[in-house]
Amino acid sequence: DVKVTQSSRYLVKRTGEKVFLECVQDMDHENMFWYRQDPGLGLRLIYFSYDVKMKEKGDIPEGYSVSREKKERFSLILESASTNQTSMYLCASSLARTIPMNSPLHFGNGTRLTVT
Amino acid sequence: AQKVTQAQTEISVVEKEDVTLDCVYETRDTTYYLFWYKQPPSGELVFLIRRNSFDEQNEISGRYSWNFQKSTSSFNFTITASQVVDSAVYFCALSEDTGFQKLVFGTGTRLLVSP
Repeated sequence: DVKVTQSSRYLVKRTGEKVFLECVQDMDHENMFWYRQDPGLGLRLIYFSYDVKMKEKGDIPEGYSVSREKKERFSLILESASTNQTSMYLCASSLARTIPMNSPLHFGNGTRLTVT
Repeated sequence: AQKVTQAQTEISVVEKEDVTLDCVYETRDTTYYLFWYKQPPSGELVFLIRRNSFDEQNEISGRYSWNFQKSTSSFNFTITASQVVDSAVYFCALSEDTGFQKLVFGTGTRLLVSP
């Protein structure tokens, strides 16, 4: 079974702090994603990565950055946390496009971040 | 731009009732993929189904069935004889054919099944 592990289930940080959210997958997936989930807005893509050291902006990248130094690990960074970044953050991974079908996104359990 | 609309915010049913979750999508692409995910209270999204734009056959998997109609841009999900364990938030999603599986999600429908 694919396992996507997010380092923290709950996190409370202060405004202005630098925040790191970590995600690790154990199935050698090329693609990794960070989404945030807010009530009434569904899931929105922040950033994704299709290879080590490669990253692409999603729909809402402002205020965030990412790092992918190893294939299995994808970090989301809030350079200076703000209260409007209070949300549920979901990491996901998938195999690359050359693999035939049946390569859905596999999600972690999420990190609920509160910025006070 | 791509968009997924799930107009039903919350649905409440009693066990054994059938329930249909609606999903309407917008895209200019001719090749695209549609998905349904389930998010139980534990928080992890669980993949249920993927359908590509060239396959309009309806799918049935146990108590679950999906109705894909390109003419109305809809991809509806029906649970037959619902059970309490079906209580969850269900998301419909759309992906263009880039290979990266960048999903655009709907806002989700919360299903409450009471005994």
